[in-house]
Amino acid sequence: DAGVTQSPTHLIKTRGQQVTLRCSPISGHKSVSWYQQVLGQGPQFIFQYYEKEERGRGNFPDRFSARQFPNYSSELNVNALLLGDSALYLCASSPHPEAGAGSGELFFGEGSRLTVL
Amino acid sequence: AQSVTQPDIHITVSEGASLELRCNYSYGATPYLFWYVQSPGQGLQLLLKYFSGDTLVQGIKGFEAEFKRSQSSFNLRKPSVHWSDAAEYFCAVVPLGGYNKLIFGAGTRLAVHP
Repeated sequence: DAGVTQSPTHLIKTRGQQVTLRCSPISGHKSVSWYQQVLGQGPQFIFQYYEKEERGRGNFPDRFSARQFPNYSSELNVNALLLGDSALYLCASSPHPEAGAGSGELFFGEGSRLTVL
Repeated sequence: AQSVTQPDIHITVSEGASLELRCNYSYGATPYLFWYVQSPGQGLQLLLKYFSGDTLVQGIKGFEAEFKRSQSSFNLRKPSVHWSDAAEYFCAVVPLGGYNKLIFGAGTRLAVHP
């Protein structure tokens, strides 16, 4: 069975540009979350969507936005890129709306590494 | 605010030696607790989790962790480390009602010497 897939795997942008990252969850998973992992730090929560509705938002500026499609895939958009946006962006899926329900396990993709020059 | 502290940034052990990775959390109530592992070029994989009940939990790959409420700790252990265990290990919490919002520590990078 396919795991969580993310695209692109690597990309380079310049300051001020916009980027769209894509995520396909595991089949049957209705929840998708996005995390930012800056080098040397743990992942930081950006968004969670369940059944196409936003269920949580982390402490990120409005330049960050996301959406979930009817097939449960998701996109993360970042506008007006800054050097500090350089990071590994991780997508995770789960069959549950809450981590406390069921297994509570998130299944992570390998990430999209964004470099902003 | 909820936080997770992993005091050890980098640990090196010899293959076959025992391992303990430390994790402390700051939260008013007992959160859900997790350990994830990230190998180079791969996504994070869940090792084990604690929701309630028995404070000693068993995970995959021979890992276990013990929840100690009095110390707000959830330390990860393995009795005998294999070279393939070299990776970065993250402790994480989900506050009650926090949906799938995981709060991660900064991670501990484990190196294994032959």
